[in-house]
Amino acid sequence: GAVVSQHPSRVICKSGTSVKIECRSLDFQATTMFWYRQFPKKSLMLMATSNEGSKATYEQGVEKDKFLINHASLTLSTLTVTSAHPEDSSFYICSARAGFSGNTIYFGEGSWLTVV
Amino acid sequence: QQPVQSPQAVILREGEDAVINCSSSKALYSVHWYRQKHGEAPVFLMILLKGGEQKGHEKISASFNEKKQQSSLYLTASQLSYSGTYFCGTESGAAGNKLTFGGGTRVLVKP
Repeated sequence: GAVVSQHPSRVICKSGTSVKIECRSLDFQATTMFWYRQFPKKSLMLMATSNEGSKATYEQGVEKDKFLINHASLTLSTLTVTSAHPEDSSFYICSARAGFSGNTIYFGEGSWLTVV
Repeated sequence: QQPVQSPQAVILREGEDAVINCSSSKALYSVHWYRQKHGEAPVFLMILLKGGEQKGHEKISASFNEKKQQSSLYLTASQLSYSGTYFCGTESGAAGNKLTFGGGTRVLVKP
């Protein structure tokens, strides 16, 4: 299957600082990337949909200014958690698809964020 | 709106079968199934598209009832490696584009 790489896999940051997570599609061009957040033993919560070259579409209740998403190219999307707080600690996962509806969506390995 | 999965959890002996159901209140364009192991990202299993097309793992089977907006994933002759949490993701409408995931079904296969 297609490969989506996410980096870093684990990051610890101090409260008030910002942290960037990268998501790359390694062997296909991702027209759309998605960012999810997952709490322990819970489902995947969609945060935003990122289309190359345009602004991300955020889900209701997700703060745009706190979770900055940039989809600079067809193989790279970044999520920046700004002014992080301990409640932002979570498992963040990106996913990507080539083409549009009906195509397979592949997930990255996920990033564990701990804010201390 | 989040699709509803059932059961929430199931325990199997190796070799037994199980069915996981996913239902939505919206008209569906496609249903995607994933398995997630603890601490890891979800792994793609299968897509079922409106109109009957399926793409996915040869050893995993699933069905999609478009009229009822339901899908079922069949775990046949389960193996220890089948343990994990199974999620269905649904695309709604003519060109949904984004996946909304169900609450998950935790599967434990015992020897």
